[in-house]
Amino acid sequence: EAGVAQSPRYKIIEKRQSVAFWCNPISGHATLYWYQQILGQGPKLLIQFQNNGVVDDSQLPKDRFSAERLKGVDSTLKIQPAKLEDSAVYLCASRLGTNTGELFFGEGSRLTVL
Amino acid sequence: GEDVEQSLFLSVREGDSSVINCTYTDSSSTYLYWYKQEPGAGLQLLTYIFSNMDMKQDQRLTVLLNKKDKHLSLRIADTQTGDSAIYFCAESDGQNFVFGPGTRLSVLP
Repeated sequence: EAGVAQSPRYKIIEKRQSVAFWCNPISGHATLYWYQQILGQGPKLLIQFQNNGVVDDSQLPKDRFSAERLKGVDSTLKIQPAKLEDSAVYLCASRLGTNTGELFFGEGSRLTVL
Repeated sequence: GEDVEQSLFLSVREGDSSVINCTYTDSSSTYLYWYKQEPGAGLQLLTYIFSNMDMKQDQRLTVLLNKKDKHLSLRIADTQTGDSAIYFCAESDGQNFVFGPGTRLSVLP
């Protein structure tokens, strides 16, 4: 079974530039999460999708972050404009159901903002 | 809001047991998890325990849960160099996950 795929693995940009990350969850997984993991900290939820609908985006900085999951499969997370404090690893995770099943993580996309 | 705390570092000698501790605040937690993260990789589920259980054993891993004190521990028996990683405790009400800051385990030869 293929795992959660993310790209790019690494991205370096200057502040005020924009960046987009892509995630392809495990086939058939209805729930998709984006987490931000700052160095030395645990993952913090940015947004949760159930199929193509948003379940929880309460911690997403909506003035600069946006995410979509068209057709309930792949998802894209965008940051525009980026700030220095956005330097982190962005982890995508998927789960079979809403309340059940293991959370499977991708390898993450490491963003460095200069 | 919910909070999960862990000590940040632990060093053990190869062959010894490791005990990683975690405390959480959410009394409605249904599941408690231990994840492992190796350098440059995502988080991998090691084990989990339902909140109505006190203990779960899985090969070299033993999870103990004290629900009254909201304390969770992970014991790794016969710790090997391959166990060197960051270990995250997480609590969930079934839908939302809250992760601790992670404990970096170093295994010395």
